[in-house]
Amino acid sequence: NAGVTQTPKFQVLKTGQSMTLQCAQDMNHNSMYWYRQDPGMGLRLIYYSASEGTTDKGEVPNGYNVSRLNKREFSLRLESAAPSQTSVYFCASSPGQGSTDTQYFGPGTRLTVL
Amino acid sequence: EDKVVQSPLSLVVHEGDTVTLNCSYEVTNFRSLLWYKQEKKAPTFLFMLTSSGIEKKSGRLSSILDKKELFSILNITATQTGDSAVYLCAVSSGSARQLTFGSGTQLTVLP
Repeated sequence: NAGVTQTPKFQVLKTGQSMTLQCAQDMNHNSMYWYRQDPGMGLRLIYYSASEGTTDKGEVPNGYNVSRLNKREFSLRLESAAPSQTSVYFCASSPGQGSTDTQYFGPGTRLTVL
Repeated sequence: EDKVVQSPLSLVVHEGDTVTLNCSYEVTNFRSLLWYKQEKKAPTFLFMLTSSGIEKKSGRLSSILDKKELFSILNITATQTGDSAVYLCAVSSGSARQLTFGSGTQLTVLP
């Protein structure tokens, strides 16, 4: 099993450009999450999807949109990139039910906005 | 607003030393506390704790939760250079089990 996969691994954008980060999981998990990680800030939740067909804002949603395309895929879109969105982006998934809250993370996308 | 605070921010030790990493939290609707290890790339899961006073152990790593005092510790005994990483503490809350992360402790183990 691949677990959680993300594409691309690296991306450089100019201010104002748009792009979509892709995430897929093959663990049949119900819940999926997008985080950004900045130096000294830990991981901050951008958006999450508790189940297929639902999405909700996290701590830092401004400037982003998400789509839960199906149970496997959860994409993050930057409509008009800004330098403040330079960060490492992680997608994660969790079963979303039962006793475990464990989230499993993808390898990350390093985004630079010039 | 949910809050997770880790200390120390960084720690440098020599191989063989024992270290204790701290995590305190203030969250509503607490579900569980998780520890992750991050070495350059994605965080990898170490432990999940839900009950006070019950130690979770995996090899040289162990962790315990105190729900009354709202903190957890992660112990690493006989440290090795491969333990060098950022250790992240996160608390799960809410019906969607969102994780709130601390800023992490950077552990460096010197040979």
